[in-house]
Amino acid sequence: EVQLVDSGGGLAQPGGSLRLSCVASGFTFSSYNMNWVRQAPGKGLEWVSYISRGSSVIYYADSVRGRFTISRDNAKNSLYLQMSSLRAEDTAVYFCARDTSPSEYSGSWYDYWGQGTLVTVSS
Amino acid sequence: QFVVTQSPSASASLGASVKLTCTLTGGPERYGIAWHQKQPEKGPRYLMTVNSDGSHNKGDGIPDRFSGSSSGAERYLTISSLQSEDEADYYCQTWGTGMGVFGGGTKLTVL
Repeated sequence: EVQLVDSGGGLAQPGGSLRLSCVASGFTFSSYNMNWVRQAPGKGLEWVSYISRGSSVIYYADSVRGRFTISRDNAKNSLYLQMSSLRAEDTAVYFCARDTSPSEYSGSWYDYWGQGTLVTVSS
Repeated sequence: QFVVTQSPSASASLGASVKLTCTLTGGPERYGIAWHQKQPEKGPRYLMTVNSDGSHNKGDGIPDRFSGSSSGAERYLTISSLQSEDEADYYCQTWGTGMGVFGGGTKLTVL
């Protein structure tokens, strides 16, 4: 059974940092590109970042570029999102999502999701 | 600029059918999309992909009541025999140039 388990959320101060994790099981993690997606309170889903299966291709949304860093450790079946210079508008539930694209250079549709981890940025 | 548009809300009665629409603008009409269901306090659930030719591929365990179709730049999700647990937000999703793209979501109310 494919499972994605998100963790690492919590309360952070404006300007602070947090590191999110997503642990995968039930499939060959190293064969799949991965994404982070978030949902702010009362808002829709927003794509945040993408990383190819070999970590060679990375994309970010304009809203987080320069502040967030996506990474992965295929040996640990884990995906990460290092968040720094946090702002109030980063408050959201963050989900990891498995990408179905056969290419490393382009994403595609997401077929499995994590349960989400809540990040709250407030003083 | 590639934009994906959805109506903000839809409603239908228990046992009836409803058709949700996702419109692709500013990109090739050949793009396929994925439909995802989002219920409160849960992670999104992948329902299916819908291709430009109307073919669709459903995710694991998705009931036959859910189906997809396509016409031009529009991609549809039809839910028949509506049940109370179908009340949720529904998002279409695709990939633009170097970025993921989501529609704004449709809140489905089952009356």
